[in-house]
Amino acid sequence: QVQLVESGGGLVKPGGSLRLSCEASGFTFSDYYMTWIRQAPGMGLEWVAYIGSGRRFIKYADSVQGRVTISRDDAKNSLYLEMNTLRAEDTALYYCGRVDRDRDSGYYVDTWGQGILVTVSS
Amino acid sequence: DIQMTQFPSSVSASVGDRVTITCRASQDISQGMTNWLAWYQQRPGKAPKLLIYGASSLESGVSSRFSGSGSGTEFTLTINSLQPEDFATYYCQQANSFLPLAFGGGTKVEMK
Repeated sequence: QVQLVESGGGLVKPGGSLRLSCEASGFTFSDYYMTWIRQAPGMGLEWVAYIGSGRRFIKYADSVQGRVTISRDDAKNSLYLEMNTLRAEDTALYYCGRVDRDRDSGYYVDTWGQGILVTVSS
Repeated sequence: DIQMTQFPSSVSASVGDRVTITCRASQDISQGMTNWLAWYQQRPGKAPKLLIYGASSLESGVSSRFSGSGSGTEFTLTINSLQPEDFATYYCQQANSFLPLAFGGGTKVEMK
């Protein structure tokens, strides 16, 4: 079945770095745009970044622009999020998501991982 | 940047009730007959689940109690005959690829 599994979260000090991974299975990973979405404790959903199939399109939210890098390795069916200069406000559950663009060219997240917690604290 | 505003932020309802949630975009997210708006359901401790895409198309496997409508900048999600499993938080999301993706602040449907 279609599945996304995140890893790499944890506790990091302000100013530190972390790399999140998301391993995909059950579908042709290289065919899909992929995205990261986060949710701070008790808060709503915030889109972070997405990457196109073949890495042709990459876009970031203003709140993380310049501090995070989204990438993918289609040979490993894996998505990554490199986060630098982390701040307390980056503390959140980070979800990996599959973007389905085949319906009406809109960007719909039809599959989500279970989420991985990132805590930024001294 | 585009802003998505949902209201109400919470609603108390009983099993069997009809619930309507509104989502307003700060700019037009439609083009012709295409409305790039999605609705998600998030139960406590779970990942969000896609319910509706294209403002009114039901995702496969989703109950027909859920329906969506709207165009341009104003959209609604209606839940008919609320069931116990529908008590959750609902988010709208603008899906226009020419704009940054953005979610509404969420609407929590609570038991009265």
